[in-house]
Amino acid sequence: GESVGLHLPTLSVQEGDNSIINCAYSNSASDYFIWYKQESGKGPQFIIDIRSNMDKRQGQRVTVLLNKTVKHLSLQIAATQPGDSAVYFCASLSETSGSRLTFGEGTQLTVNP
Amino acid sequence: GAVVSQHPSWVICKSGTSVKIECRSLDFQATTMFWYRQFPKQSLMLMATSNEGSKATYEQGVEKDKFLINHASLTLSTLTVTSAHPEDSSFYICSAKGLWWEQFFGPGTRLTVL
Repeated sequence: GESVGLHLPTLSVQEGDNSIINCAYSNSASDYFIWYKQESGKGPQFIIDIRSNMDKRQGQRVTVLLNKTVKHLSLQIAATQPGDSAVYFCASLSETSGSRLTFGEGTQLTVNP
Repeated sequence: GAVVSQHPSWVICKSGTSVKIECRSLDFQATTMFWYRQFPKQSLMLMATSNEGSKATYEQGVEKDKFLINHASLTLSTLTVTSAHPEDSSFYICSAKGLWWEQFFGPGTRLTVL
């Protein structure tokens, strides 16, 4: 079945370093891939998305890379700050599935001052 | 824009009682809303898709008689957990679908069943 999984459950970095969070997906029919940030006790917050016909997209301090050949997605956060500490989820959706999102397992990012 | 609220933010109830959670899109209309549940240190699991004016579509394994969903207007969907038991304790999150594919998430409702 369709699944989206992450390579690492936890990631600890020093403030100011760059962070890379990885995600593997299985459904090659996905049209969009999205990264969400979830702080403790809160709902997911949209970070950035990428359409399946792209391989890179940049936002403010974040970059998402998509490698369809190996079905791999990554989120790069530049100059990581303590406020970036949260759980990060990748998700995918297929437009034919009525915008239903499939979430990965999540990576806990901890930024040490 | 695109703000989604949930009420209550947390609730504690006794086993056997029913609890209603509201999800509102505050500044846009949403014909489709989604309900998720999330256990500690786990991912979000889609429970059901709620469409305004029609019956909700439940994911496999989700009991429709236990988790009643009503989407009576373009800005409000409700989830009622009927005859709640301790195993229903979880973090319930709703989202509202925007114009395209995007989903805007609410802040979540923490349900604790004693």
